[in-house]
Amino acid sequence: DIQMTQSPSTLSASVGDRVTITCRASQSISSWLAWYQQKPGKAPKLLIYRASRLESGVPSRFSGSGSGTEFTLTIGSLQPDDFATYYCQQYNSYSPTLTFGGGTKVEF
Amino acid sequence: QPQLQESGPGLVKPSETLSLTCTISGGSISSRNYYWGWIRQPPGKGLEWIANVYYSGSTFYNPSLKSRVTISVDTSKNQFYLMLNSVTASDTAVYYCARQRASDGLDIWGQGTMVTVS
Repeated sequence: DIQMTQSPSTLSASVGDRVTITCRASQSISSWLAWYQQKPGKAPKLLIYRASRLESGVPSRFSGSGSGTEFTLTIGSLQPDDFATYYCQQYNSYSPTLTFGGGTKVEF
Repeated sequence: QPQLQESGPGLVKPSETLSLTCTISGGSISSRNYYWGWIRQPPGKGLEWIANVYYSGSTFYNPSLKSRVTISVDTSKNQFYLMLNSVTASDTAVYYCARQRASDGLDIWGQGTMVTVS
């Protein structure tokens, strides 16, 4: 099974900061990676798919990069609405099984 | 934009079977471009994918839960279902249903339903 490891688990930041979250896969997943934002009491929201493609309606300050086993989510200039928990998730293109990373909480 | 809504008991006794329904409105479960899945989140913890189903009935399971889980679909009702048997307190979680857009991620989620095993 593919394991996904996110770092850091918690990140302290301020409005305007550039924030980077890392996700590592235990084996190559090509570009089959998505990023989600979750706020307390709410369902996750898809931000990025195929490692770097911005979901429709998501602000351009969010970006994703990477391939193989190392991926990053970058928030170019942190906004008050961005304080949340972020998850990476890999999907196996050959059989649609999914694995989530452990999450990164971005807090003030 | 389709909407998904979970329904089912909020309280299940240990050793019994958890059964949930996801109803899709504003779209068809029979679309060839999507899988339909269940994800759960224990209180204060991360997300765990449980299973996916295709409209044709093809199923895909998390290996760690496969022995206890059944996912199924009813295209005539535009619904899909989750059954998790032999539940314990560790199955207490918010259960979400979601749409997986081919290989692009889970793009539409239900609001989630809290299920307590006690």
